[in-house]
Amino acid sequence: GQNIDQPTEMTATEGAIVQINCTYQTSGFNGLFWYQQHAGEAPTFLSYNVLDGLEEKGRFSSFLSRSKGYSYLLLKELQMKDSASYLCAVTDSNYQLIWGAGTKLIIKP
Amino acid sequence: GAVVSQHPSWVICKSGTSVKIECRSLDFQATTMFWYRQFPKQSLMLMATSNEGSKATYEQGVEKDKFLINHASLTLSTLTVTSAHPEDSSFYICSATIIAGQASPELGGYTFGSGTRLTVV
Repeated sequence: GQNIDQPTEMTATEGAIVQINCTYQTSGFNGLFWYQQHAGEAPTFLSYNVLDGLEEKGRFSSFLSRSKGYSYLLLKELQMKDSASYLCAVTDSNYQLIWGAGTKLIIKP
Repeated sequence: GAVVSQHPSWVICKSGTSVKIECRSLDFQATTMFWYRQFPKQSLMLMATSNEGSKATYEQGVEKDKFLINHASLTLSTLTVTSAHPEDSSFYICSATIIAGQASPELGGYTFGSGTRLTVV
């Protein structure tokens, strides 16, 4: 079966760094997305990785290792507004989008 | 960037009535539209995939006669929840891609509408 695993909840301190991991097992791979979703709102796009390595975009970076079926989202200089759920999603060989359950990130002052 | 406009943002309806949710792609042609449902504290659950001009493909367990999807043009797709019941209360979100079935990272991946909070009383 197809499966995406990420931690249910994480807590971090304002100004710190947090890494949210995502592991996947899918039938084929055509890219991995990270989305941010605030409560009651639709997801917003953060990053897309299709090749191995690190993609940096401001305070957010995303890493991919296809051989390990592993990705992480790194958030630096955390701000209170970063409190949200972070969703990992993978497109399989049929370009079907498989979603993880999301990681709820709680930022404390 | 690509924008998908979804209406209404929230709706309260009586049990047994029908509700229509619209999603419009404002500055691109949405070849494929995905409809999701999200219950509180849960991830997105794909309900159906629709391609312009053809019948929608429903996920297992989703009643196609209850959740009617119409994708009549490249810029508009609608989801109608027929004979709604309290258990249909949920957050419904549409998502579009410019290339059939594929994400468009340059457009921000799968572009999402703002969601519709449906409450059936």
